[in-house]
Amino acid sequence: GEDVEQSLFLSVREGDSSVINCTYTDSSSTYLYWYKQEPGAGLQLLTYIFSNMDMKQDQRLTVLLNKKDKHLSLRIADTQTGDSAIYFCAETGSSASKIIFGSGTRLSIRP
Amino acid sequence: NAGVTQTPKFQVLKTGQSMTLQCAQDMNHNSMYWYRQDPGMGLRLIYYSASEGTTDKGEVPNGYNVSRLNKREFSLRLESAAPSQTSVYFCASSDPDRYEQYFGPGTRLTVT
Repeated sequence: GEDVEQSLFLSVREGDSSVINCTYTDSSSTYLYWYKQEPGAGLQLLTYIFSNMDMKQDQRLTVLLNKKDKHLSLRIADTQTGDSAIYFCAETGSSASKIIFGSGTRLSIRP
Repeated sequence: NAGVTQTPKFQVLKTGQSMTLQCAQDMNHNSMYWYRQDPGMGLRLIYYSASEGTTDKGEVPNGYNVSRLNKREFSLRLESAAPSQTSVYFCASSDPDRYEQYFGPGTRLTVT
């Protein structure tokens, strides 16, 4: 079935790069997404990538997609305290009307 | 343009009570969704509505009912609340071109 997996926690030092990893099972996904959830709030789309792309860069964010290994990563350069949040990986799965979410990675920033 | 709005923000129910969570979007989206979020389990889809007049079960529909009242509104009803339904509930609607989902701020529900 459709499944998206990611580690639950990541801790990085302020100013370092953060890399959040995700694996998914559905090779027919059209879009893959990264969402950010700040405390007490809903999810907000950070960035997305088409399944026929390998990489997408958007300011401090770099998304890498390895379709062969079904692996997606999000790199945040120069991590700041405002980047503390839960990051969700997601894919469209077999139905474009549904998105399958991972369990989220909580990113914490050390001074 | 308010996006996706949800009411109430917080609710405490006793076991067996019923309630309806309201959701509305003003982006003219066709698809709307209800999720629950539990610690360490991410988001689980309860029900979704691909268009006005249609609803479908998601991953965890038991104990819930939904109504797609019109294109804007999608409500979630708990007929007889149970402690296992203590959770944060999110409503979302999606952009038809990119399937991006826009989320409401959530309803934190506690069932005692």
